[in-house]
Amino acid sequence: EIVLTQSPGTLSLSPGERATLSCRASQSVIDNCLVWYQQKPGQAPRLLIYGASSRATGIPDRFSGSGSGRVFTLTISRLEPEDCAVFYCQQCGSTPPTFGQGTKVEIK
Amino acid sequence: QVTLRESGPALVKPTQTLTLTCSFSGFSLSTTGECMGWIRQPPGKALEWLARIDWDDDQFYNTSLRTRLTISKDTSKNQVVLTMTNMDPVDTATYYCVRKARKWNYFDFWGRGILVTVSS
Repeated sequence: EIVLTQSPGTLSLSPGERATLSCRASQSVIDNCLVWYQQKPGQAPRLLIYGASSRATGIPDRFSGSGSGRVFTLTISRLEPEDCAVFYCQQCGSTPPTFGQGTKVEIK
Repeated sequence: QVTLRESGPALVKPTQTLTLTCSFSGFSLSTTGECMGWIRQPPGKALEWLARIDWDDDQFYNTSLRTRLTISKDTSKNQVVLTMTNMDPVDTATYYCVRKARKWNYFDFWGRGILVTVSS
């Protein structure tokens, strides 16, 4: 199965700053089928990005995804206090679907 | 709109069988292409995919848990059921019911989850 490694483990930034989260796959992700979820404390994950770069319905445009092959990035262009959460990547091109271990974004 | 809601016991004893039910609305699991599944998350840890059932009753399982899991559906009741046998404290987790996106194997709708603790 494909192993996803996310970095950094924790990101601590101030409101308005740019956050860059990385997701690296142990092998190439088929059709760049890579998605990102946001999980706030006590809540279920919410789909943010699908197909590596397409925003899900209702997701603000400060969230963007990029990458291909084995390396993918989630960027939050201008952090807002409500962006405090854990972000997970997941590959969906191979069975079983697998998740990264998450990056926690803290707002100073 | 699509809603998913998990139900089941909050506490089970080691060696017991866990049965979780997902009640959903806003779509039909008898519609071609619809698929649902279960994902779990131990406290403070990452997400782990468990199982999936498709509109045509095809079933897929996490390889490492395959012998302990069964997923089934009741289309008339709009429910999906997951059973996990021989529960162990390491199975303590929040269990989420999910709907799979149509074309690819990611999850566009999630239930709020149910925390299941395994303890004697």
